[in-house]
Amino acid sequence: DTGVSQNPRHKITKRGQNVTFRCDPISEHNRLYWYRQTLGQGPEFLTYFQNEAQLEKSRLLSDRFSAERPKGSFSTLEIQRTEQGDSAMYLCASSSGQGAGNEQFFGPGTRLTVL
Amino acid sequence: AQRVTQPEKLLSVFKGAPVELKCNYSYSGSPELFWYVQYSRQRLQLLLRHISRESIKGFTADLNKGETSFHLKKPFAQEEDSAMYYCAPYPGGYQKVTFGTGTKLQVIP
Repeated sequence: DTGVSQNPRHKITKRGQNVTFRCDPISEHNRLYWYRQTLGQGPEFLTYFQNEAQLEKSRLLSDRFSAERPKGSFSTLEIQRTEQGDSAMYLCASSSGQGAGNEQFFGPGTRLTVL
Repeated sequence: AQRVTQPEKLLSVFKGAPVELKCNYSYSGSPELFWYVQYSRQRLQLLLRHISRESIKGFTADLNKGETSFHLKKPFAQEEDSAMYYCAPYPGGYQKVTFGTGTKLQVIP
């Protein structure tokens, strides 16, 4: 499968714990995006990378969220001290090119449940 | 402020009826516009983009700059069109794509 992959697919954690998600983009794609989606809403932008550089981070993100893409390939999204409000589907997408105007290819998502 | 609005959360139509999914945006300049679709138990995927002026799966979308709208249309709905549809404007350059809240299309047999 050469599409975008995300692991784990589901994560249940207790409030206050840290969680880390991984995204493997399509190999030749230089752009990688993280989104969060809650019930009844569209994907909400969190951050994106061009190669290993993190170019933008949503102002809605608290300092508990951090993302990395150390070698310009896979990316990780970490949430520290999780809260119940962090429960959501976390989507990763990748695309080629220099701008965001190219087609984004989405992964299956990681569903986080914070108890 | 830049904003995209999909006024209908749910649109139910009978098979064979015309479909119009509304999208309005308020952006400065001339954004590029996309429609993404998510079928049941599948990933979010691109349906069409206005710059390509294509018809995909019988859907078309006309950009109306005067009304700042990019409605998605299909003359005859099919059951397999049932899905979530998201309008997504892209302002250009290194800015991000913003997704609307989505419209669930339900095609009744």
